[in-house]
Amino acid sequence: AQSVAQPEDQVNVAEGNPLTVKCTYSVSGNPYLFWYVQYPNRGLQFLLKYITGDNLVKGSYGFEAEFNKSQTSFHLKKPSALVSDSALYFCAVTGGGADGLTFGKGTHLIIQP
Amino acid sequence: DSGVTQTPKHLITATGQRVTLRCSPRSGDLSVYWYQQSLDQGLQFLIQYYNGEERAKGNILERFSAQQFPDLHSELNLSSLELGDSALYFCASSVGDPPDGNTIYFGEGSWLTVV
Repeated sequence: AQSVAQPEDQVNVAEGNPLTVKCTYSVSGNPYLFWYVQYPNRGLQFLLKYITGDNLVKGSYGFEAEFNKSQTSFHLKKPSALVSDSALYFCAVTGGGADGLTFGKGTHLIIQP
Repeated sequence: DSGVTQTPKHLITATGQRVTLRCSPRSGDLSVYWYQQSLDQGLQFLIQYYNGEERAKGNILERFSAQQFPDLHSELNLSSLELGDSALYFCASSVGDPPDGNTIYFGEGSWLTVV
């Protein structure tokens, strides 16, 4: 079975500092990895995905993620955090097949002014 | 706006009742997914349909059922409702299956409160 671990329930970062939200995964075969963001009382918004190719993926709102196959990680990063980045972030993985897209438990990102 | 439309946005119903949640996928998307989000269980995959046929099944209770119609809209039926079914139910859609790397886009969700 496939799984995603987001080891931090909450990440606190000062505005203007770089941020990292961690994600590790387990899947049979090649992984397809996604990051989504959820604002309060809203649906999930797609940020970026890794399918194949370059290990550094760039996405919306200045976010990027680095795929590391040996560490089975897909950490989300941003060089300079904004207060408006404060939200709940989900990492997700699929290896295809009948398991669908599996999400991690989410990480609350809090950017302090 | 993701292009995925869900109705109703909110509903309150009593235990033992049955409700139907409706989803219209993005134009051109053939896959529809249903997810349940609750505080204690997080985001749980329920079921996926692709072009009218069941494609993948997750942690969906036997009291729940879904279908995708020829016009590609989907309905999630929840019956014999219990207090623990109170949650945010998301519909999502994509062009094809995730193995192709297709992005899955989510609707705004339907808030279900069982009292």
